[in-house]
Amino acid sequence: NAGVMQNPRHLVRRRGQEARLRCSPMKGHSHVYWYRQLPEEGLKFMVYLQKENIIDESGMPKERFSAEFPKEGPSILRIQQVVRGDSAAYFCASSPGGTATGVTLHFGNGTRLTVT
Amino acid sequence: QQPVQSPQAVILREGEDAVINCSSSKALYSVHWYRQKHGEAPVFLMILLKGGEQKGHEKISASFNEKKQQSSLYLTASQLSYSGTYFCGTERGAQKLVFGQGTRLTINP
Repeated sequence: NAGVMQNPRHLVRRRGQEARLRCSPMKGHSHVYWYRQLPEEGLKFMVYLQKENIIDESGMPKERFSAEFPKEGPSILRIQQVVRGDSAAYFCASSPGGTATGVTLHFGNGTRLTVT
Repeated sequence: QQPVQSPQAVILREGEDAVINCSSSKALYSVHWYRQKHGEAPVFLMILLKGGEQKGHEKISASFNEKKQQSSLYLTASQLSYSGTYFCGTERGAQKLVFGQGTRLTINP
């Protein structure tokens, strides 16, 4: 069984460009979470999505960031007009249900975004 | 709110024991423990639900005291492979895990 697949593994963007990060959840998982990790820091919750619905985006910056999880295809985290402070590792995790039901998260290997 | 982990870093010799603590100021439904090695994805270790039960995973076990809103991770007779950063994630019914800042564990031969 394939795990959570994220691509690209590494992404370099110049300031002002757009970054698109993709996440394909594990087979059978319909819940997707995005976390951001700055160097030597913890995992910061960004957004929780189910198919075609954003359930909780309380951790997403109000501007430039957006996320979607369409009926078909991977979940996308989109960062417009990137700035140097966006440089971080972005992890996607999936689960078969919400974490309040006691299920665990399966993480992808992350996308390391570098803004030059 | 982010749970607080202590200590921030631990250095051990192989075979020694360690305890990592995780505390929250709010009532918790569950506590999840993950380990992350440098440059890799976090890997699930165990989940503790309400009830104060203790779970085990090889020589790693954990407890959850829901009254005190605390969890502790116990690493017994540590092995080199235990090195990494340990994160607790707390769940408060909002369908999301909020992680602590991490505890970096270094095991030396």
